[in-house]
Parts: sequence; structure tokens; C-alpha cells
Amino acid sequence: DAGVIQSPRHEVTEMGQEVTLRCKPISGHDYLFWYRQTMMRGLELLIYFNNNVPIDDSGMPEDRFSAKMPNASFSTLKIQPSEPRDSAVYFCASSYAQLNTEAFFGQGTRLTVV
Amino acid sequence: GDSVTQMEGPVTLSEEAFLTINCTYTATGYPSLFWYVQYPGEGLQLLLKATKADDKGSNKGFEATYRKETTSFHLEKGSVQVSDSAVYFCALSSNTGFQKLVFGTGTRLLVSP
Repeated sequence: DAGVIQSPRHEVTEMGQEVTLRCKPISGHDYLFWYRQTMMRGLELLIYFNNNVPIDDSGMPEDRFSAKMPNASFSTLKIQPSEPRDSAVYFCASSYAQLNTEAFFGQGTRLTVV
Repeated sequence: GDSVTQMEGPVTLSEEAFLTINCTYTATGYPSLFWYVQYPGEGLQLLLKATKADDKGSNKGFEATYRKETTSFHLEKGSVQVSDSAVYFCALSSNTGFQKLVFGTGTRLLVSP
């Protein structure tokens, strides 16, 4: 398996524009996580899905953020409208629904909102 | 709720020095514990894990022991190399209910020749 695949790797957009980040989890994994990493706040869990169903979105900072998982092989994180403070590295991770199992991370998307 | 606390960085060491990065956790039940490493410009990679009390996880010369009595999972390495320079994250996963992975804030390690 190629691992967790995120696209794009880098995104630069203007304030107010819509941004969509994409993630393809590892085939067969039951969980999908979206994290945001910044210098100030470290690694924050935004939302996670189990079998394509959102379980906990309490980490989503504002209504401008939304995430979907229409099927087991694809998820999106959308920011609309984007703001400069959204600039961060966004990671997607996936794991099996087994006890004691680890999560596998994608390479991340570095988002810059100017 | 579940949480992980790890020592602030950066930790600056000379090559071949001994490394300890402290990690303590708060969780209900018996979580699984992990150390992840993040090299510059990359995503997080699993370094080692332990799934029950007194288990020792090890990989690439790094070790950590699951201490339930002190709720700790400290990372150690006997002799660090320049290539170990990275950010290290301690994490836990609850083994009850949904398996949310909770991370500490990360500790940056800088190793000089």
C-alpha cells in the first residue's frame, strides 16, 4: 500500500477563498483523523471518522471548517472562507479499528493563506 | 478527558549523549502508548509502542517502558546521533470506545556533532 495520501502538498491561497484538502486513507482502515499542526498550538485533532461516520468534531475551530468522508477511500477538509490564521500544516491519518493499533500519517498539506 | 504531558523542548545534546524525554499521561482504563517521530518536512512516523503495563517498546535504539504506577512512558536512548534530530511526540489511544489518538505537544531534539 502507498500509505496515506494527501493532496495538495502545498497550497497558497488568498484570504476569503475556499480551500479543499484531500486525503486517501490506507485501504481497509476504519478510522480517519484530521489534525492541524502549528508552532503555537502544536498538533490538534480536528475531527475523526469511524466507518465514514464523523464521531467527534469538537476540535473543528469554527463553522468555516467542514469535513466529509463520502466513502471509505476518500475524505475532504474544507475551509470556507479561509483566513490567514488558518495557515498551518494539516495532516490526515488512518488506522484499523483494533485494540493497540497505531495510526499512519500522510505527508501533510502546508496551507498558507495570504 | 484523556491527556498527555511531555517535557518542553528543545532538548539540545551532543552526539553520543544519553537522551531522556519525559512523558506522563492521564486516561481512564488501560490505554495503549506510543512515541511518534517527525523529521523536518515530513509527517509523523511511529517510533515504538507499548500496549500494557510493564511492556517495553523499542526501535532504532530508542526504548520506553509503560509504567502504570507512575502513568509514565519516558523515551530513552543510550547514544544519540545527529540523524536523531527531530520532534518527538508521545501519544495514547484509549482501548475503550472509540480509539481516538491523543498527542502531547511534542519535544524538539537537536543533536550536534
